[in-house]
Amino acid sequence: QVQLVQSGAGVKKPGASVKVSCKASGYTFTDYYIHWVRQAPGQGLEWVGWINLNSGGTNYAQKFQGRVTMTGDTSTTTAYMELSGLRFDDTAVYYCARSGYGCSGGSCYHYYFGMDVWGHGTTVIVSS
Amino acid sequence: QSALTQPASVSGSPGQSITISCTGTSSDVGAYNSVSWYQQYPGKAPKLMIYDVVNRPSGISNRFSGSKSGNTASLTISGLQAEDEAAYYCSSYTHSGIVVFGGGTKLTVL
Repeated sequence: QVQLVQSGAGVKKPGASVKVSCKASGYTFTDYYIHWVRQAPGQGLEWVGWINLNSGGTNYAQKFQGRVTMTGDTSTTTAYMELSGLRFDDTAVYYCARSGYGCSGGSCYHYYFGMDVWGHGTTVIVSS
Repeated sequence: QSALTQPASVSGSPGQSITISCTGTSSDVGAYNSVSWYQQYPGKAPKLMIYDVVNRPSGISNRFSGSKSGNTASLTISGLQAEDEAAYYCSSYTHSGIVVFGGGTKLTVL
């Protein structure tokens, strides 16, 4: 079945970097985007960015530009998100999520900006 | 890019219908039919309920429906059940190629 398995939780110091992995299985990796979404404790969902696993193209939310890098390894069907210059308010659960594929009105198609399969989340705590 | 605007909370009794609104701008919700809705239970990953404004993924109950008028999208849940109590988030594609989420709505089933 389609699943995304993320790396384990971690504690980082302010200023450090974290790299979260997202291992995909059960589908053609390069046919989809992977989105990264985070959720601070008690807060809502915040979109971080996406990567097109076919072209390697990326698009990041403005607030993360310069600090985030998203990559994909097609040989291992694993997507990565690296966030540098960690601050206390980067403490959050980080989710990877796959873009979608659905059928409507007799036709099936990819929709790249909705997310139909989610990883279980990776908790990143920034603490001194 | 500002977050989409959702009510912080809504409530309803079992069997009733409720609607959650999601207001954006002419650069996101109003411009594209790429609005999605997600359900999230505490401590769990979000689950896609609606994509492209009106479409339900396979396995999602037809009690959930989506619509859009102008810059506002809506999620309607009919025949409310206790298991529907959760947080709901909308998201939209935007003109700059990014995605923006709403602040989330806590649904309470009375």
